[in-house]
Parts: sequence; structure tokens; C-alpha cells
Amino acid sequence: DAGITQSPRYKITETGRQVTLMCHQTWSHSYMFWYRQDLGHGLRLIYYSAAADITDKGEVPDGYVVSRSKTENFPLTLESATRSQTSVYFCASSEVPQGAGGYTFGSGTRLTVV
Amino acid sequence: GENVEQHPSTLSVQEGDSAVIKCTYSDSASNYFPWYKQELGKRPQLIIDIRSNVGEKKDQRIAVTLNKTAKHFSLHITETQPEDSAVYFCAASTATGNQFYFGTGTSLTVIP
Repeated sequence: DAGITQSPRYKITETGRQVTLMCHQTWSHSYMFWYRQDLGHGLRLIYYSAAADITDKGEVPDGYVVSRSKTENFPLTLESATRSQTSVYFCASSEVPQGAGGYTFGSGTRLTVV
Repeated sequence: GENVEQHPSTLSVQEGDSAVIKCTYSDSASNYFPWYKQELGKRPQLIIDIRSNVGEKKDQRIAVTLNKTAKHFSLHITETQPEDSAVYFCAASTATGNQFYFGTGTSLTVIP
């Protein structure tokens, strides 16, 4: 599980600021995902990527930007943070979308927007 | 897209009793159903999964059943222990889909 790491673990930022959450995996998995976790909503997909330079929107993409110039990295940027983006963010990866073993999640980033 | 509903949202059981968590899905094309366990402050981790070509799968004290006709699947934990206390998520995915659709989670508490 140490093969997928997120940074920072905790972040406090002010409304309107840009913030980037980092995700790095060492398995060369093709697929990477960003989820946010909120009480009562479970895990909701923000963006995903099937390969380097290929990204697609999930269920809740507004206010977020992603890029994937290298297979191992999948940063998530909040262009202008809002209080509604206070959440726990999980990055995940998998070799195939529903291959044996499902997703492997990172440890999460707890983001607070004040 | 797919809609996954999960019940109950909270569940308390006495140690040694069984726990059952149920999920329904809407897309008949869904054919892969993983279950994740998330302990407090930790990442979700896969505990068991099932594909639509089987009706039941067991792994020691946990089992998952699938009813394709009714479009629901369930997680069964027998002989519960305090370390089973966690939030459990179900999910569904189609063969051509690129993502999992998660339920809203069940917070299970096992009372010693």
C-alpha cells in the first residue's frame, strides 16, 4: 500500500486561494482517480485518468482541475477554494478499471477551507 | 449513470453476532461489486469482491451474495469482533466502465 502516496496529509487554506493536492504511485498503474469523501455522501468521483494525458470528469468536477503528464503523478488543483470544498480527498489507482483487487487508495488529504 | 444505494447507514451489533449490509444498484450492465472497509482515519481497503457470474463468495468470516435479478448485493459478517468496527462501502462497476460507483457507507459498531 505504500506504493500510492498523497501529500499533504492535512491542509488549511483560505477561501479563494489555489491549492494543489499531490498523488504519486509507483506501480505504473494505468488508471488513477480522485474522490472526495463527505459525511452522508460516501465517496464521489471528481476526475479520473485512464493514462498519461487522458483525463475525464467524474460526478463532481466543478471547481477542480487535474493533469497527468506522467503516469505516476495525478495532481488535483482547486483553482479558487470554497468552503464547500472542505473534505477528505482520496487518490486511488488500478491497473484496469475493475481488475482483481479493485482500487488501491492513498492515505487521504484532509482539506479545510476557511 | 449507475446509482448505488446502501442500507443501513449505521449498524450496532453485539460481539459474536452477525451483521448484514445491503446495497442495490440501478444499471443492469453492472457486473463487478467490490466491498471496502474503512477504519477511523484510514484509507478504504478492499475486503471482498464478486462478479456477476457467481452468486456468492466467502472469505473466512465475510461473505457477499449477489442477486442479479433483483439488482442487489449484500455483505455478511459472521462472529463479529470489535476490530470489525469500521465504515463499509459497497460499489458497482460495469464491464466497460472506467469507474466505481460507491454507496454512502455503513458505520458498523461491534459492542464487546
